[in-house]
Amino acid sequence: EVQLVESGGGLVRPGGSLRLSCTASGFTFSSYTMNWVRQAPGKGLEWVSSISSTGSYIYYADSLKGRFTISRDNAKNSLYLQMNSLRAEDTAVYYCARGGYDYWGQGTLVTVSS
Amino acid sequence: EIVLTQSPGTLSLSPGERATLSCRASQSVSSTYLGWSQQKPGQAPRLLIYGASTRATGIPDRFSGSGSGTDFTLTISRLEPEDFAVYYCQQYDSSPQTFGQGTKVEIK
Repeated sequence: EVQLVESGGGLVRPGGSLRLSCTASGFTFSSYTMNWVRQAPGKGLEWVSSISSTGSYIYYADSLKGRFTISRDNAKNSLYLQMNSLRAEDTAVYYCARGGYDYWGQGTLVTVSS
Repeated sequence: EIVLTQSPGTLSLSPGERATLSCRASQSVSSTYLGWSQQKPGQAPRLLIYGASTRATGIPDRFSGSGSGTDFTLTISRLEPEDFAVYYCQQYDSSPQTFGQGTKVEIK
C-alpha cells in the first residue's frame, strides 16, 4: 500500500525556519518525481515545488523567491522542504504528492504567527 | 504561467443529477499532463482523472474526463451523496505547475 506521511509542521514566528519531511512507503520512491503542494486556510491548492526522481531537476513556484528548498534522500525514502524567512502568508497545510498526483499525504499544518 | 480557470465556481445539484465541470487553460496543455482531483473537507485531495480522460485506480465509472488543448471537462453522470465536494483541475505540463481555483459541487 502506498503511503506518504508528512511531518515537521507547527507554529513558527515570522522570519523563522521549518523543515518538513515526507516519508514514503509501498512503492519504489527513487523512481518517482515528488511534489509539495500547499493549501492556505479556506483556499485552493497551490503548487510549491517538484523534484525529479534523482534530484537532478528541481522546480519552484515563483512566489517563493528562493526562500524554500526541496530535496530528497532516496536511501531513506524521504522528501524534504526547507522553508526559511517564513511569512504569515506561508500559513497552510503542506501536502507531499507522488509524481502525477496519484497519491497524497495527509498534510502537515504550518502556522506562521507571532 | 498557464492559468487554469474553472467554471462554475459553485454547482448546486441534487443527488442523481448530472454535473459538468469546466477547466479552461490560458494556453494549450498536453492532455497527458492534465488531471482532476476531488477534495472533501478536512481531507487530502484524491486523484480522479489523469491524462485528461483516464480514471485513476478505484474511481467509479460515473466520473469521466474529456477535452484537449485549452478546454477540459469533468462529468459526473449521476451524483451520489459522497460526490459533493470541491473539484480541482491541475496541469503539470509546464512549470510552474498550476491548479484551477476549484469548483464546489453542493447539494441543492
